[in-house]
Parts: sequence; C-alpha cells; structure tokens
Amino acid sequence: EDQVTQSPEALRLQEGESSSLNCSYTVSGLRGLFWYRQDPGKGPEFLFTLYSAGEEKEKERLKATLTKKESFLHITAPKPEDSATYLCAVQGRSQGNLIFGKGTKLSVKP
Amino acid sequence: DAGITQSPRHKVTETGTPVTLRCHQTENHRYMYWYRQDPGHGLRLIHYSYGVKDTDKGEVSDGYSVSRSKTEDFLLTLESATSSQTSVYFCAISRGGDGNTIYFGEGSWLTVV
Repeated sequence: EDQVTQSPEALRLQEGESSSLNCSYTVSGLRGLFWYRQDPGKGPEFLFTLYSAGEEKEKERLKATLTKKESFLHITAPKPEDSATYLCAVQGRSQGNLIFGKGTKLSVKP
Repeated sequence: DAGITQSPRHKVTETGTPVTLRCHQTENHRYMYWYRQDPGHGLRLIHYSYGVKDTDKGEVSDGYSVSRSKTEDFLLTLESATSSQTSVYFCAISRGGDGNTIYFGEGSWLTVV
C-alpha cells in the first residue's frame, strides 16, 4: 500500500532561520512526488514535481530534493509570508492517483 | 489560477437532505477529481473522472456519487447528508498520465447539522 508520512507535524521558525521539512514515502513504482503549499481557507497551491532520485527543484527560498525513500523541502532564510501548511503527495504505478501526507504546518515569526 | 470554480463555497445543510457541489473548469482538462480534507486525515480522494461519463471511485466514495455530462463540469452529490460528511471539499483537475500535476480549486465548506 502506498503511504506518505510528513514530519514534523508543526514547525516554528524565527525569520531567517533555515530548516527542512521531511516527506517519507513507500510506493510501488514512483511516477511523481508533489509538493503543495496551503494557506488557511484556501486550496493547495502547486509548488514542485519530482520524478526520480537525485532530482532537485528550486523556487525562491524553497528547494525540494528527492531520494528513493524520502523528499525534503528546504526553506532558506524564511520570511513570515512563508507560513503555511506544506503538503507532500506521491503518485505510484499501482494506484495512479495521488496519496497525500497530513502536512507540516510552518510558522515563521518576525 | 487553475481555472477552477467551485460552488457553493459554503453551505450548511440538515442531516438527510441531498446536497450537490459543482466544479467548473475552463481549461478543458481530461481528468477531474473530488477530494475531502479533514483534520488528522489529510486530503482523500472521493471520486474522479477521466472523461465525459467516465468516472471511478476513490478511497472514500461511500455515500457520494458523481456525474460528468460535460467536459467542464463535475458534480459531487451527497444523496442523504450525514454529520460525518461535514468537511472541506476540493475539486481538482489534471491532464492525466505519469507525473501530471493536479491543480486544486478553492474549496467548498460543507456543514451537516
């Protein structure tokens, strides 16, 4: 069964304090790993898709990396506007549809 | 903006009444999805469609039905709403295939009292 586990559940950072969010997964044949950002009262907003181990993608202060067992979302020098819940999802060959983790709620204090 | 409109955005209904949520897309995507999001569970797939009149069940389909009579519209119906169906419902779209990104709408908040 495909599974996604995100850690930590919640993370509090000071502005400028870099850190990483973890997404561990088990899937039978990875077709894609997805990162989304979700603000309160809004729908998830797409950030990145990663397809194979070793791949990295960047957007502003965010960088996503992928290994065969997990993905990291690195946040460099975060700002208060980076505060949100970050969701990870995988698409496997057996299921086809996305399986989501429960998310990491990030709070960045000024 | 993924070109997805959900309606209604907020609804309060009574137990046992039927409820229909509508998802409208303007980008002609083949795949459309309905998810629900609950604390402690994350996003879970209810039903999806891979074309007009082509639909399939997701992880939590009991108590829900869907219809897609036009490419742009995907309807989610709760035939007889229960309190356990109080949730936030998200419609999503994609082109389908390997690693194709799913884009989400803004959500419909449903409360069943």
